[in-house]
Amino acid sequence: QITLKESGPTLVKPTQTLTLTCTFSGFSLSTFGVGVGWIRQPPGKALEWLALIYWDDDKRYSPTLKNRLTITKDTSKNQVVLTMTNMDPVDTGTYYCAHRPNMVATTFDYWGQGTLVTVSS
Amino acid sequence: QSVLTQPPSVSGAPGQRVTISCTGSSSNIGAGYDVHWYQQLPGTAPKLLIYGNSNRPSGVPDRFSGSKSGTSASLAITGLQAEDEADYYCQSYDSSLSGSSVVFGGGTKLTVL
Repeated sequence: QITLKESGPTLVKPTQTLTLTCTFSGFSLSTFGVGVGWIRQPPGKALEWLALIYWDDDKRYSPTLKNRLTITKDTSKNQVVLTMTNMDPVDTGTYYCAHRPNMVATTFDYWGQGTLVTVSS
Repeated sequence: QSVLTQPPSVSGAPGQRVTISCTGSSSNIGAGYDVHWYQQLPGTAPKLLIYGNSNRPSGVPDRFSGSKSGTSASLAITGLQAEDEADYYCQSYDSSLSGSSVVFGGGTKLTVL
């Protein structure tokens, strides 16, 4: 079965760079059409899409955050890494990674449990 | 301000039917992009509830149904149960001059009275 799990720091200081890792199993990111995305959720607020990487290394970013985001994959390790620069307290929230089944289906069918990141000095 | 607009809250008594709307525009739902719905129980990750406007993943009860028309979509829940109390989010895709992106609604909190 497909599982995903996020890992990374729970606390980062303002202006620092956040690096999160999504480790997954049950699928391969070298399979045609498959993708992994990152979505975040500030406490008590709505979901916000951040980035998406596909099997062919095609990368997509949120237009409002693209200058701060980088998404990469390591197919051999079954991992996707998201970096976000210049962190601010408003970036506090739970960060999720999720599986996209193919390029036609614009949905995320499996999600990780999420990791809470707090930005504070 | 979310690109997709949902009512902040809806409520219903056990056994009743409730609907949650998701209103978009010509650059997302109205452009023909699919709408998906997620259920987020308190303290947990979102779970896919409806995909491709009206399809249920395996294991999702048929009390949940989705529809789409024009620039809007709806999630209907019949035979409301206490365990349906959760936040519900719609999601689609948006393509405009500012770029293309996955977009979510602001979420709707369902209270079972």
